[in-house]
Amino acid sequence: EAGVVQSPRYKIIEKKQPVAFWCNPISGHNTLYWYLQNLGQGPELLIRYENEEAVDDSQLPKDRFSAERLKGVDSTLKIQPAELGDSAVYLCASSLGPDGYEQYFGPGTRLTVT
Amino acid sequence: AQSVAQPEDQVNVAEGNPLTVKCTYSVSGNPYLFWYVQYPNRGLQFLLKYITGDNLVKGSYGFEAEFNKSQTSFHLKKPSALVSDSALYFCAVRDIGAHSGGYNKLIFGAGTRLAVHP
Repeated sequence: EAGVVQSPRYKIIEKKQPVAFWCNPISGHNTLYWYLQNLGQGPELLIRYENEEAVDDSQLPKDRFSAERLKGVDSTLKIQPAELGDSAVYLCASSLGPDGYEQYFGPGTRLTVT
Repeated sequence: AQSVAQPEDQVNVAEGNPLTVKCTYSVSGNPYLFWYVQYPNRGLQFLLKYITGDNLVKGSYGFEAEFNKSQTSFHLKKPSALVSDSALYFCAVRDIGAHSGGYNKLIFGAGTRLAVHP
């Protein structure tokens, strides 16, 4: 079974530029998550989807971050414009459902903003 | 607010010796607790979880964890460490706060780096 796929794996951009990350969850997983992981810290949830509905986006900085999961399968996270402080690893995860199921993580996208 | 603490930044152990990685939590109700491992340049991998039932939970790669409600702890253990166990370990607790819709939002600890020496 294929795991969670993310691309790109690495991205270097200048500040004020836009950037997008893509995630394809495990087949059949209705719940999809985007996490932010800063160096030396645990992941922090940005947004959670149940199918195509964003059910928890309370931690997403909506002035510059946006996300979509149009057909309830793959998802895109966008930052526009990027700031120096956005440099981090962006992780995507998926699970069968929302309640007590373990989450499966992709390898992440390491973003460096210069 | 729900929270989880991993008091040790790093744990060093000799290969073949038992290992313990500590985790304590704070929740308002009954906790769902998880352990994940992260190898360099890879995503987090699920090790084990406690939802209900037996306080001793067995997981992947020979790891186990003991849920202790009175001490609000969920320490990760392995009887005999391997060099290949060297990685970053994260404890997580499920947050069922109202803003999350009562569903599967995980709060992660800061992580503990395990170094197993030959």
